[in-house]
Amino acid sequence: RKEVEQDPGPFNVPEGATVAFNCTYSNSASQSFFWYRQDCRKEPKLLMSVYSSGNEDGRFTAQLNRASQYISLLIRDSKLSDSATYLCVVNKNQAGTALIFGKGTTLSVSS
Amino acid sequence: NAGVTQTPKFRILKIGQSMTLQCAQDMNHNYMYWYRQDPGMGLKLIYYSVGAGITDKGEVPNGYNVSRSTTEDFPLRLELAAPSQTSVYFCASTGTSRQQQYFGPGTRLTVT
Repeated sequence: RKEVEQDPGPFNVPEGATVAFNCTYSNSASQSFFWYRQDCRKEPKLLMSVYSSGNEDGRFTAQLNRASQYISLLIRDSKLSDSATYLCVVNKNQAGTALIFGKGTTLSVSS
Repeated sequence: NAGVTQTPKFRILKIGQSMTLQCAQDMNHNYMYWYRQDPGMGLKLIYYSVGAGITDKGEVPNGYNVSRSTTEDFPLRLELAAPSQTSVYFCASTGTSRQQQYFGPGTRLTVT
C-alpha cells in the first residue's frame, strides 16, 4: 500500500457542482494532515489543515477518519478558480521531517 | 516579506556539470526543506534542516548536498548532474514542525 494514495482524476465538473476527493494513508501513527492546492507549474500552497473533528473553511470541508486512515475534501459550489491539483499531505512525525505528499487529484471546473 | 525565494527559476545543465540552487526565507523560520517533484508524481524530500548548522537526509538525497550556515539560507548543491535529476525543485520553510510549510516558486532543472 502506498504511503499516501489519492485518486488522480481528473475530475471534470461544471460550475456550481459539489465534488469530493478521497485520500488514504498507510501509517497509523501519522500525526497531522493537510490539503494543499497546486496550480499548474506553481508551488503548493496550504488549503487547509485537517482535524479529527472535521473542519470547514467557506466552501471547503475536510474530514479525517483515523480508524479507517482516510481523509476527504469536499468542495461545494465549485468555481472556475477551483481548477487545480489538490494534494493530500500527511505528517508522519512531530519533527515535520516526514511530510508525505500524495500525487494529487486534478480538478477542472468548466462554465 | 518576500517569503521563500528561489533562484534560478530555470536552468539547463549538461551531464556532469554542477550547480547550486539557492533558497532564502525572511520569516525567521528554523525548519527548511528541499523537495523535488517529477511530472505526475508527489513531492519527495531531498534534505531538510531544523536550524542553522543542522542538516539531515530525506527520502532521496543521493546526488545532492546542502548546507545551512544561516537561518535564512539553505542552498542545494548538485554535483555531477545526471538526466535523472531533471525535475522541479521546491524549497520550503516552516516556523515549527506542525505548522504549514511555505514553498518557494520552484526551480525547473533540465539535465541533458
